[in-house]
Amino acid sequence: DQQVKQNSPSLSVQEGRISILNCDYTNSMFDYFLWYKKYPAEGPTFLISISSIKDKNEDGRFTVFLNKSAKHLSLHIVPSQPGDSAVYFCAATLIQGAQKLVFGQGTRLTINP
Amino acid sequence: DGGITQSPKYLFRKEGQNVTLSCEQNLNHDAMYWYRQDPGQGLRLIYYSQIVNDFQKGDIAEGYSVSREKKESFPLTVTSAQKNPTAFYLCASSRTGPANTGELFFGEGSRLTVL
Repeated sequence: DQQVKQNSPSLSVQEGRISILNCDYTNSMFDYFLWYKKYPAEGPTFLISISSIKDKNEDGRFTVFLNKSAKHLSLHIVPSQPGDSAVYFCAATLIQGAQKLVFGQGTRLTINP
Repeated sequence: DGGITQSPKYLFRKEGQNVTLSCEQNLNHDAMYWYRQDPGQGLRLIYYSQIVNDFQKGDIAEGYSVSREKKESFPLTVTSAQKNPTAFYLCASSRTGPANTGELFFGEGSRLTVL
């Protein structure tokens, strides 16, 4: 049972344009969400997070949007840069600080020059 | 430099052999975790430990064992009972209590291949 789903295995975007990565979840009890970025043969690194009491969180070129009624979150990257090419994982947890993150399958983002 | 060190980076094992993956952290984090990554399946939790001498099973603990004798160390043993051990293994750590933001800090991973 996949509680966190990233239905797009891959996404290709032109440099300078907006990249939008999507994530859906099924457990309405999740109330804290995170995005991680992963390069090949490396561990994931934390990118941005959002609490369920918010619908938007921004950090530089990265913005995460949360739609609780739709159980959907998205990561926007504007403008996209070649260094953004990586696999992006969304993750969810029940309470901030809880120890178990549930990860999606990941989306491979490729930024084309 | 504070961080998480996993070793070895690459490991080959014959079927029927146990193998232990090392994970050491100097971030002074109480909690440590082991995840497994397979193509198309994201990261799945194997075991986690919130404090020394205590650990809990994650979603796919069968065929694995761990110990947490020291705060800095959380080794994972892949036993011969694990049916599909070939995977990329990731160790992580986090703060606990009020200081915990939910963020996990990951090591660089260990790729295990069973021949």
